[in-house]
This record gives sequence, C-alpha cells and structure tokens, in this order.
Amino acid sequence: DSGVTQTPKHLITATGQRVTLRCSPRSGDLSVYWYQQSLDQGLQFLIQYYNGEERAKGNILERFSAQQFPDLHSELNLSSLELGDSALYFCASSVGPGTEAFFGQGTRLTVV
Amino acid sequence: AQSVTQLDSQVPVFEEAPVELRCNYSSSVSVYLFWYVQYPNQGLQLLLKYLSGSTLVESINGFEAEFNKSQTSFHLRKPSVHISDTAEYFCAVSEVRGGGNKLTFGTGTQLKVEL
Repeated sequence: DSGVTQTPKHLITATGQRVTLRCSPRSGDLSVYWYQQSLDQGLQFLIQYYNGEERAKGNILERFSAQQFPDLHSELNLSSLELGDSALYFCASSVGPGTEAFFGQGTRLTVV
Repeated sequence: AQSVTQLDSQVPVFEEAPVELRCNYSSSVSVYLFWYVQYPNQGLQLLLKYLSGSTLVESINGFEAEFNKSQTSFHLRKPSVHISDTAEYFCAVSEVRGGGNKLTFGTGTQLKVEL
C-alpha cells in the first residue's frame, strides 16, 4: 500500500458526460501528480500541484482540469468525454520537487 | 525538454538468467532518475532511484541500476531473475524547473520471465 488513495476504482460513463476523479496523497506529501495510462499513448503526465498551486503541466486537454484543495487532496475533472478518454488515471504524490513519487492504484475510466 | 527512451518494449528471459533493461534520457539540466515496476492491474511501485551520490543504486529485491552521465543512461540489471519479476518496468526522469517537478516516463519494457 503506497498510502495514496484514489476513488473510484472503476468508472463507466457515456460520451459527453463529465466525471470527477479524487486523490488523497500520502500523509505529509505536498505534491500531487496526475497521469493517464492507455495502450496507445503509454503513461502521460497531465499536471502537477504543489501545496495547492499548479506547478507543471503536461499533455492535459482543455476539457480536463484539476485542482488541489487546502487539505491537499486533489480532483481531476474530465468533461465532454470521448471514447478515446478511456484509460487508467493515476494519481501520485511526493514530499516535494526532486523526490520520488508514490502512486495510487488508479481509476479505470471506461467511456461508452 | 526532458525525455526518456526505453528501446526494448519486450524482453523475454529464462528464470535464473541475467537481464538488462535499457534506459536513456535527454535533458538540458541535471536530473533525478527512477525505475518503477507495474504488476498487472496495479499501480506503479518505486523500484529504485538515483538522486545524487553513488552512481550505482540497488533495490531490496536484487535489481541495480547505474547512472552514466556521459552516456545519459540508467540501465536496470539483475544477475538472476525469478518468475515473480515478470512485470512492466518504467524508467523515469525528473527535472526541477521553477519549483515544478515534472516526472517523465519512458514507454515501458515488459519483462517476461519463463521457466
């Protein structure tokens, strides 16, 4: 158990819908990262927050947004969902920049 | 921009044989390097890391990796693999830019250990 908690574990939704994925980092970790893993794209970095502020941005679509709350949990919002958004979404946390990240078990999103 | 290349998408090997999973990176600044392992239907687990100091780093389950700055490589090795090592292995690089810490992953290498 990495200490990073992601909910829900599985999510099935229809195209055009909006979903929210939730992540609770390890106790004491200030950085949260979101990744998307799919068969054709591999593991793609989406976005990173540090103590509530956005710090780095990767290949995140405009239909996707995220935030980190004062209690340090984070949410990834995916809207206007398309079939191609079906993937595993991982959250990871670390103490801060330059340290290793610990991953949650992921949320498997299926868009039908 | 930083990037990671894992040239081998799949590596089949017999049990008790040695294995090397290759990782090369590119970056314009100093980096931290990591190897993660992913078992089926699970998240990524940190296997080992290089932050500074000795260029040879080891994990608790017999894997080791050596940071080679001149060759920009961080290959993962194990002298004798076990069936339980079958998994996907990801190399990752991290730069610290403006307080951000973007962790970039390679495409992964599927290690399949056979009897």
